[in-house]
Amino acid sequence: DAGVIQSPRHEVTEMGQEVTLRCKPISGHNSLFWYRQTMMRGLELLIYFNNNVPIDDSGMPEDRFSAKMPNASFSTLKIQPSEPRDSAVYFCASSLDGSRYGYTFGSGTRLTVV
Amino acid sequence: QQQVKQSPQSLIVQKGGISIINCAYENTAFDYFPWYQQFPGKGPALLIAIRPDVSEKKEGRFTISFNKSAKQFSLHIMDSQPGDSATYFCAASMDFGNEKLTFGTGTRLTIIP
Repeated sequence: DAGVIQSPRHEVTEMGQEVTLRCKPISGHNSLFWYRQTMMRGLELLIYFNNNVPIDDSGMPEDRFSAKMPNASFSTLKIQPSEPRDSAVYFCASSLDGSRYGYTFGSGTRLTVV
Repeated sequence: QQQVKQSPQSLIVQKGGISIINCAYENTAFDYFPWYQQFPGKGPALLIAIRPDVSEKKEGRFTISFNKSAKQFSLHIMDSQPGDSATYFCAASMDFGNEKLTFGTGTRLTIIP
């Protein structure tokens, strides 16, 4: 298995533009997580899905952020409109049955909003 | 109550020495405590994990010590090597890992020759 695949690896966009981050989880994993990592706030959980259903989106900063998981092999995180304070590394992770078998993280998308 | 507090923020250890990173939690419902290791440009990866029915778990040079009464757990890296230089995150979860992880703030470890 190629692991959790995220795209793009790097994204530079102008303030106000729409940004879409993509994630392909490991086949067979039934939980998917979106995290944001910054120096100031560390790893923040934005949203997680179980069996494609959003379970907890309390970490989504505001209405500008939205996430979807239309099927077991694909998820998107969208920011519209983007702002400079959204600049961070966004990680997608997947797991089998919660966290006890470990999360597998992707390599992340480094987002820069100018 | 969901927080996991981690210290120190950064740590420099000489090659061959022991690296120690500490975490504390408040929520007594936490019952699964993993450590993750992150190298630059990569996502965190599971390193070692412990459940509260044991006080210590060892895997190679890595050991978790767990103190249930103090609600603290720590990672010890014996014979630290330059390749261990990375950021380490402690985490906690409920329901024996069926629930989502709550991560600590991370410790940047640097091993110097």
